[in-house]
Amino acid sequence: QVQLVQSGAEVKKPGSSVKVSCKASGDTFSSYAVSWVRQAPGQGLEWMGGIIPMFGATHYAQKYQGRVTITADESTSTANMELSSLRSDDTAVYYCARVDYRGTNINTGKFDPWGQGTLVTVSS
Amino acid sequence: QSALTQPASVSGSPGQSITISCTGTSSDVGAYNYVSWYQQHPGKAPKLMIYDVTNRPSGVSNRFSGSKSGNTASLTISGLQAEDEADYYCNSYTNSNTWVFGGGTKVTVL
Repeated sequence: QVQLVQSGAEVKKPGSSVKVSCKASGDTFSSYAVSWVRQAPGQGLEWMGGIIPMFGATHYAQKYQGRVTITADESTSTANMELSSLRSDDTAVYYCARVDYRGTNINTGKFDPWGQGTLVTVSS
Repeated sequence: QSALTQPASVSGSPGQSITISCTGTSSDVGAYNYVSWYQQHPGKAPKLMIYDVTNRPSGVSNRFSGSKSGNTASLTISGLQAEDEADYYCNSYTNSNTWVFGGGTKVTVL
């Protein structure tokens, strides 16, 4: 059964960048997609973007276009999300989740499983 | 892409049934059957409860069920239990090859 384990908490200065990793274990990594979802304190879930590792195909929410880069390394079953030009309102818990794709097509709309979340704090 | 619309809160007594709505548009909920629901307890990662409108993953109680009509999807929890008290989020695929979540609904068991 696949598990997603994320990197640890980060504290960053405004204007800097942060990179969060998400490592899969227990199942084939590249035959699915990985999405990144964030949750600001006391707020709801927000989809940021995703990648299909087998093809390197990425899609981003319009809100984050140009500021977020999602990559994947099939050899280590790791997906990464890098967010640049950080602001205080980027303080949030960032989650990765596996999304059920087959090739470049959606198989089911499941986001499952999820990583444990990574708290990113942006503060001067 | 605007968030899907959910009620901020829904409450019910133990044993009752409640329904949470999730309203989108003809570009997301109305266009695809890739609507899923997630339960989130405080400080925890979300948990998949329903996918593809009506499907329940193994291990999820059959007290949880989903449906859809037009641009609105719904999650029904029957036989409400104390452990069901949590935040619930809907999610849908969109015609922009993106995904969108609802704003979330806080379920309170009275």
